[in-house]
Amino acid sequence: AQSVAQPEDQVNVAEGNPLTVKCTYSVSGNPYLFWYVQYPNRGLQFLLKYITGDNLVKGSYGFEAEFNKSQTSFHLKKPSALVSDSALYFCAVRDDTTGKLIFGQGTTLQVKP
Amino acid sequence: DTAVSQTPKYLVTQMGNDKSIKCEQNLGHDTMYWYKQDSKKFLKIMFSYNNKELIINETVPNRFSPKSPDKAHLNLHINSLELGDSAVYFCASSPGKHYNEQFFGPGTRLTVL
Repeated sequence: AQSVAQPEDQVNVAEGNPLTVKCTYSVSGNPYLFWYVQYPNRGLQFLLKYITGDNLVKGSYGFEAEFNKSQTSFHLKKPSALVSDSALYFCAVRDDTTGKLIFGQGTTLQVKP
Repeated sequence: DTAVSQTPKYLVTQMGNDKSIKCEQNLGHDTMYWYKQDSKKFLKIMFSYNNKELIINETVPNRFSPKSPDKAHLNLHINSLELGDSAVYFCASSPGKHYNEQFFGPGTRLTVL
């Protein structure tokens, strides 16, 4: 069965510092991995995806994610955090049979001025 | 020109009542989804329709019944509401069931008293 895990409930970062939000995955075939962001009282917004190809994936709002097959990880990164990046971040894997997204538990990112 | 819209945004009702949540997408997508986000922010898929055909039906009480009158609409009807049904319900759509990115609506916050 496909699954993803986000080991941190919350990540705190100072504005201007680099940020990392961690995600590990478990899949039976090729991984189709995603990051979504949820701002307060809003729906989820797509940030980026890894399907195949380069291990470093670039997405919206300056975010990127690194796919690491040996460590089964797909960590979300940004070189310089903004206060406006504060939100709830979800890692997800797509079940290739049904197309459904299976989400991690979510990580709250707090960026302090 | 909202891509995925849901009504109502908030729904407060008594236990035992029957209620419906509506979802519409104007993106021309073939596939639509219902997700439930609980009080701990955990997101789980409930149903998915592809071209008006039910393709995903997770382990959800049969008090929940989705209906897709056409490709652009996916409604969720809930009978005999229980306290545990309180959650935020998100509708989403994608061009096809194997397409990578899903577009989410703003959510409907259901509170059962």
